[in-house]
Amino acid sequence: DVVMTQSPLSLPVTLGQPASISCRSSQSLVYSDGNTYLNWFQQRPGQSPRRLIYKVSNRDSGVPDRFSGSGSGTDFTLKISRVEAEDVAVYYCVEVTHYTFGQGTKLEIK
Amino acid sequence: EVQLVESGGGLVKPGGSLRLSCAASGFTFSNGWMNWVRQAPGKGLEWVGRIKSKTDGGTTDYAAPVKGRFTISRDDSRNTLYLQMNSLKIEDTAVYYCTRGGGFDSWGQGTLVTVSS
Repeated sequence: DVVMTQSPLSLPVTLGQPASISCRSSQSLVYSDGNTYLNWFQQRPGQSPRRLIYKVSNRDSGVPDRFSGSGSGTDFTLKISRVEAEDVAVYYCVEVTHYTFGQGTKLEIK
Repeated sequence: EVQLVESGGGLVKPGGSLRLSCAASGFTFSNGWMNWVRQAPGKGLEWVGRIKSKTDGGTTDYAAPVKGRFTISRDDSRNTLYLQMNSLKIEDTAVYYCTRGGGFDSWGQGTLVTVSS
């Protein structure tokens, strides 16, 4: 089974500063069709999850461009260039061929 | 606009059954793969299972903790996804979300299932 490991699990960030979340998989996520099906989700307090990034680096419609995804193989990163108050949330990576979620990273304002 | 609205949650005793529904609108439901994902109180997200579109075979897959107890089905004429949950356990207590597609691109608001005596 694929295991997704996020770090850190808690991320205090000063408003306006950058933030970075790592997601590592126990095996390569390159699928047989050549794509890498690694997505990122944001779950604000009291809300349903919302997809931010699909296939490693593609932003969903309406997602601010301060969010970016990168990585390949087994190592992936979600970056927020300048954290805003509305970014307080738990962020999850998920590999969507085996449907394995990371543990979640709680971003809070320092 | 894609909308997914779950219903059917509630309080049930261990060993009991419950059926959740997810009403879909804003897209061609019959073409879509659909999933159920759950979240236990204060915990992370856990995939429950998936059903493919009928054109892709309509097959289902389940996570190990629910396999043999939960059944996902769909009624394309009603644009509705179902989750039949039998032999419920305390550890099945969670908010259950339906999500669209292989990439989980849209989510409902969730429905709370509480398994308790």
